[in-house]
Amino acid sequence: GDSVTQMEGPVTLSEEAFLTINCTYTATGYPSLFWYVQYPGEGLQLLLKATKADDKGSNKGFEATYRKETTSFHLEKGSVQVSDSAVYFCALDNNAGNMLTFGGGTRLMVKP
Amino acid sequence: DVKVTQSSRYLVKRTGEKVFLECVQDMDHENMFWYRQDPGLGLRLIYFSYDVKMKEKGDIPEGYSVSREKKERFSLILESASTNQTSMYLCASSLLAGGPAGELFFGEGSRLTVL
Repeated sequence: GDSVTQMEGPVTLSEEAFLTINCTYTATGYPSLFWYVQYPGEGLQLLLKATKADDKGSNKGFEATYRKETTSFHLEKGSVQVSDSAVYFCALDNNAGNMLTFGGGTRLMVKP
Repeated sequence: DVKVTQSSRYLVKRTGEKVFLECVQDMDHENMFWYRQDPGLGLRLIYFSYDVKMKEKGDIPEGYSVSREKKERFSLILESASTNQTSMYLCASSLLAGGPAGELFFGEGSRLTVL
């Protein structure tokens, strides 16, 4: 079946550091890929998405590129802020009626 | 903005109690979902529903049931709570079954502790 693997956290960075959170997936066909973010005490919210190979999703300074050849969708940000501290989830939708398969989540902690 | 409201943020129940978790969405979405969130395991789908009175099992339905009597409301029921059901429960909704790749809209979660 489909699966999503994320790097384990926590990831601890200083403010203005470069961020990469790795995500790889296993799926048949051509899934859509997502990054969701969960701020402390809140539910998940969509951060960005990409629906086909080589698409780049971007939002709030975060980017991720859909790499079919490496089955990856790594999340990057050039300069993190304390307010980016959250748990980040990679997910895929294999055209199964919006039923998403989620990775285990990666906690990011940004220190001033 | 879409709003998904979960009735209880924190609950403490005893083993064997019947537990109801309620979820209401205000955007006329067809799809509704219940996930549980556990550290390191991410989100796992318990049940989902594509329409009123419809329900489908997700990946971990054992020990749970659901009810969708109205389009906007999707309830998760633990018939006899057990300690291994201590978790964060997240409700979500989305617009169309089989539609464009989906943005799910999540509630804030219900943290259940079973003693």
